[in-house]
Amino acid sequence: QSVLTQPPSASETPGQRVTISCSGSSSNIGSYTVNWYQQLPGTAPKLLIYSDYRRPSGVPDRFSGSKSGTSASLAISGLQSEDEADYYCATWDDSLDGRVFGGGTKLTVL
Amino acid sequence: EVQLVESGGGLVKPGGSLRLSCAVSSVTVSVAWVSWVRQAPGKGLEWVGRIKSKTDGGTAQYAAPVKGRFTISRDDSENTVHLQMNSLRSEDTAVYYCTTDDFWDGVRWLRFGDYWGQGTLVTVSS
Repeated sequence: QSVLTQPPSASETPGQRVTISCSGSSSNIGSYTVNWYQQLPGTAPKLLIYSDYRRPSGVPDRFSGSKSGTSASLAISGLQSEDEADYYCATWDDSLDGRVFGGGTKLTVL
Repeated sequence: EVQLVESGGGLVKPGGSLRLSCAVSSVTVSVAWVSWVRQAPGKGLEWVGRIKSKTDGGTAQYAAPVKGRFTISRDDSENTVHLQMNSLRSEDTAVYYCTTDDFWDGVRWLRFGDYWGQGTLVTVSS
């Protein structure tokens, strides 16, 4: 059971917008910034969003992050087939004194 | 470009030990914060622990499931970070990744998960 809760799956058609949620508590998301990662099958994760909403260079602006209270969200607009992947949120947790990940969301582009 | 390359994975019996290595390039390991993250087959990502830079104390922090069994250390002469895993259990079976944690390398900020190794598979089975 992950400390951060994500929906196990999401799906949308190409060109549309999808949002993936990440729910936590005051000891994690409520106190620290959130990162988002994309993991394609058989590969290492890739940093998509850091510090809640910032994009590393090279990440398309179709990807955006937001946070409110103890929840964060990743939005992907103009969905493309290559966006089909697993997505994870992560942050620090004071109670556990360590980093925590969400359980991951498998995105299917229909 | 920062590169991380893991090595040392393999098959080990329950109760056994294994040492993983993470060779780092383009960043001096003594100023780096490095995390280990694992992924069991078909499962999600799990943070294992991290080591702070020398200037920030050089200590390591661990996730509860591995505390007391795993040790993260740094070899500055080889610019490498190690993960010593003892008393291994079947539930430790996973691909182990090393990745950069949040730190300033003197030129830029690196973030948790900015750079990852390719991963190394550890299988604990009799």
